Amino acid sequence: DIQMTQSPSSLSASVGDRVTITCRASQSISRYLNWYQQKPGKAPNLLIYGASSLQSGVPSRFSGSGSGTDFTLTITSLQPEDFAAYYCQHSYNTPRTFGQGTKVELK
Amino acid sequence: EVHLVESGGGLVQPGGSLRLSCAASGFTISDHYMDWVRQAPGKGLEWVGRTRDKANSYTTEYAASVKGRFTISRDDSKNSVDLQMDSLKTEDTAVYYCAREARIAPASASYYYFGMDVWGQGTTVTVSS
Repeated sequence: DIQMTQSPSSLSASVGDRVTITCRASQSISRYLNWYQQKPGKAPNLLIYGASSLQSGVPSRFSGSGSGTDFTLTITSLQPEDFAAYYCQHSYNTPRTFGQGTKVELK
Repeated sequence: EVHLVESGGGLVQPGGSLRLSCAASGFTISDHYMDWVRQAPGKGLEWVGRTRDKANSYTTEYAASVKGRFTISRDDSKNSVDLQMDSLKTEDTAVYYCAREARIAPASASYYYFGMDVWGQGTTVTVSS
């Protein structure tokens, strides 16, 4: 099974900050990498698919990059509604696996 | 508008069974892969399993942690997907989400990626004596 490792596990940031979250796969997954946002008590929401493609309706301050084993989610100019947990997930094969999550908190 | 609504969660004793249902609206589930994902209290997301679309014979796959105990099935007449959970363990306690795993193509691309683009609100399963 492919293991997904995110870092950091949590971070504190202020409104307007640039935030970067990384995700590493235990083997090459090409660009088969998705990012999700989850707010407390809510279902996850797809932000990025194919490592860098923005899902319809997602604000352009979210972007993704990377290929192979190393990936990055960047939020430019953090907004109040962006304080949430973020998960990477590979779609290279099954079982699908998620990273352990990164919680973005208000500083 | 597309929606998924889960039902069937509740409290069950260890070793017991429970059947969850996920009703879809706004799209036809036979055209899509459908997944179940769970989240234990205070923990991250864990993929449980999926059923492929009609073109792929509705074949199913499961996480090792549930294989042999959980079964995913479809009812196309009801446009719904079920998760039958048997031999439940305390570690199966979680919020269970169903999700549509869609083929999503970047603009003007001839290729696609899979992503879980529609999720239900989740249903809570508690396994406890």
